[in-house]
Amino acid sequence: SSELTQDPAVSVALGQTVKITCRGDSLKFYSASWYQQKPGQAPIFVIYGQNHRPSGIPGRFSASTSGDTVSLTITGAQAEDEADYYCQSRDSSGNLYVFGSGTTVTVL
Amino acid sequence: QVQLVESGGGVVQPGGSLRLSCAASGFTFRTYGMHWVRQAPGKGLDWVAVIWFDGSRRFHADSVNGRFTISRDNSKNTLYLQMDSLRAEDTAIYYCVRDAEAGMGRDYWGQGTLVTVSS
Repeated sequence: SSELTQDPAVSVALGQTVKITCRGDSLKFYSASWYQQKPGQAPIFVIYGQNHRPSGIPGRFSASTSGDTVSLTITGAQAEDEADYYCQSRDSSGNLYVFGSGTTVTVL
Repeated sequence: QVQLVESGGGVVQPGGSLRLSCAASGFTFRTYGMHWVRQAPGKGLDWVAVIWFDGSRRFHADSVNGRFTISRDNSKNTLYLQMDSLRAEDTAIYYCVRDAEAGMGRDYWGQGTLVTVSS
């Protein structure tokens, strides 16, 4: 199976931009999705692929990909964006799924 | 609106069994793939299993393969996870999750049910 690696924590000043990265070999072949989780709550789906956002997710969330790395960018971070963020994709077989280790975003 | 309601969690001894259920409503259950995802206390998300919309294919994470079985009953709009030979490291909140159309993400999550494996 494949692993997806994320930085454990990042911080961003209110209104500024932050990029969260996720790295793994399988990302060269499979698209990734991103999830936001606040303490004590179930995760919510934020974005898939380059820019498939479900309704209700603000446009300040965007995604990009380059080789074995996918990124989630929050442009103009708000206080309510403070949360854990997880990437997810498939493993090298294509049949199994894997989550990244998660990144805690702190909005200063 | 889409609702996923898990049940069946609880405390079980190591080596024991438990069956989780997920009651789905607000969408045509039989046309969507479904997943189980778990989260140990204070830890990250851990994918457990997936089943295709018609139950024809299913896959389990290596860590649970041979011990857990995902299944579904489309006539009852219900997803299941049979968990056998439980271990302390299986202690977690278990989430029922819907696959988005065309597999583009996991778009709806239940609130989860807690499984505690302890003697």
